[in-house]
Amino acid sequence: GAGVSQSPRYKVAKRGQDVALRCDPISGHVSLFWYQQALGQGPEFLTYFQNEAQLDKSGLPSDRFFAERPEGSVSTLKIQRTQQEDSAVYLCASSSGLAGGQETQYFGPGTRLLVL
Amino acid sequence: GESVGLHLPTLSVQEGDNSIINCAYSNSASDYFIWYKQESGKGPQFIIDIRSNMDKRQGQRVTVLLNKTVKHLSLQIAATQPGDSAVYFCAEGEGGGADGLTFGKGTHLIIQP
Repeated sequence: GAGVSQSPRYKVAKRGQDVALRCDPISGHVSLFWYQQALGQGPEFLTYFQNEAQLDKSGLPSDRFFAERPEGSVSTLKIQRTQQEDSAVYLCASSSGLAGGQETQYFGPGTRLLVL
Repeated sequence: GESVGLHLPTLSVQEGDNSIINCAYSNSASDYFIWYKQESGKGPQFIIDIRSNMDKRQGQRVTVLLNKTVKHLSLQIAATQPGDSAVYFCAEGEGGGADGLTFGKGTHLIIQP
């Protein structure tokens, strides 16, 4: 499809387990963003890539959270030793990243993570 | 700290009426504002955006107004339809939205038949 895709759509993990969430951005989009959305809240920024470079990771809540985009397209958000407070929807967005252009961020459907 | 917030958590309107959703922001450095619609179980869907050098922008059935003097943003939806039922988020960004966005808490728009 033409949009942002994410997998898995749902993930149930036991506390302490590691998880990996995948994001496929819109083809050709330079910028990629990860957000965390708690139930009943707005999305909160986690981290941002321009191509393979991670330019901002100020929103990552702890060092258990790690994101990568090694080839400048697909990105993976990894959470180590998951805790119950990590339960949320993890959203990925991409934008064209064209200098001086409109930087609309287009979102994927999200991965709903439940940590038991 | 600086934040984006919404005045009303729930808005109920009659089908066919116009809806107005309001948003306040406090980061004076923000130069890009965007409205998203989120339906249950889905990711946020882009509706319309506006840059700080404009005060009004129109799309199909939607209008965004920006008042920089009082740091206020609004989304107007004309002739509200059942399909407009969703949670609406305003978001702000710096650098034209090239970095991460800051979202408000959301307004749940309910359409009464």
